[in-house]
Amino acid sequence: GAVVSQHPSWVICKSGTSVKIECRSLDFQATTMFWYRQFPKQSLMLMATSNEGSKATYEQGVEKDKFLINHASLTLSTLTVTSAHPEDSSFYICSASGVGDNEQFFGPGTRLTVL
Amino acid sequence: QQQVKQSPQSLIVQKGGISIINCAYENTAFDYFPWYQQFPGKGPALLIAIRPDVSEKKEGRFTISFNKSAKQFSLHIMDSQPGDSATYFCAAKGAGRRALTFGSGTRLQVQP
Repeated sequence: GAVVSQHPSWVICKSGTSVKIECRSLDFQATTMFWYRQFPKQSLMLMATSNEGSKATYEQGVEKDKFLINHASLTLSTLTVTSAHPEDSSFYICSASGVGDNEQFFGPGTRLTVL
Repeated sequence: QQQVKQSPQSLIVQKGGISIINCAYENTAFDYFPWYQQFPGKGPALLIAIRPDVSEKKEGRFTISFNKSAKQFSLHIMDSQPGDSATYFCAAKGAGRRALTFGSGTRLQVQP
């Protein structure tokens, strides 16, 4: 299967700071990327869907000004958590799919802890 | 209508036994049904997927059974091994959306 990487794998930050998480498709062109968050022992919650070169589509209840998503190339999407607060602490996972693909390839996730 | 209901929430199986996890959906426009395996602290990995034009798909020890009329699908893990201990998620996609709708997950523990 195709490989998706995320960086960093974990990050600890102070409340009020911003954190950027990168998601890269290493061996295929990802026309669509998805960002999820997952709380302990819970399922994945879709935050937003982004297509290369266009604005992301956010799920209901997700603050687009707080969770900034950029999908500037076919291999890179970034999620920036702005003015992070302890309640933003979670496991953030991206996935990517190519043109016409049903299959989504998931990254290894990023553990964010906001103190 | 976008929900996918998964059961059981947790499952304990003896080594060598069969693990069965069930999912049900409402939206008949769903046309792709994958199963994912997730280990703690890792991202989900695709195990096996099925489309509604077939009733069963087998890959190694993993089998998906699909019942279109009942709007249900299930994952069977044959000869379950301790290394299979993980959380399993069913999902569905379709109805004009590229995003997956996930079930709530099943924590499987295979006892040696």
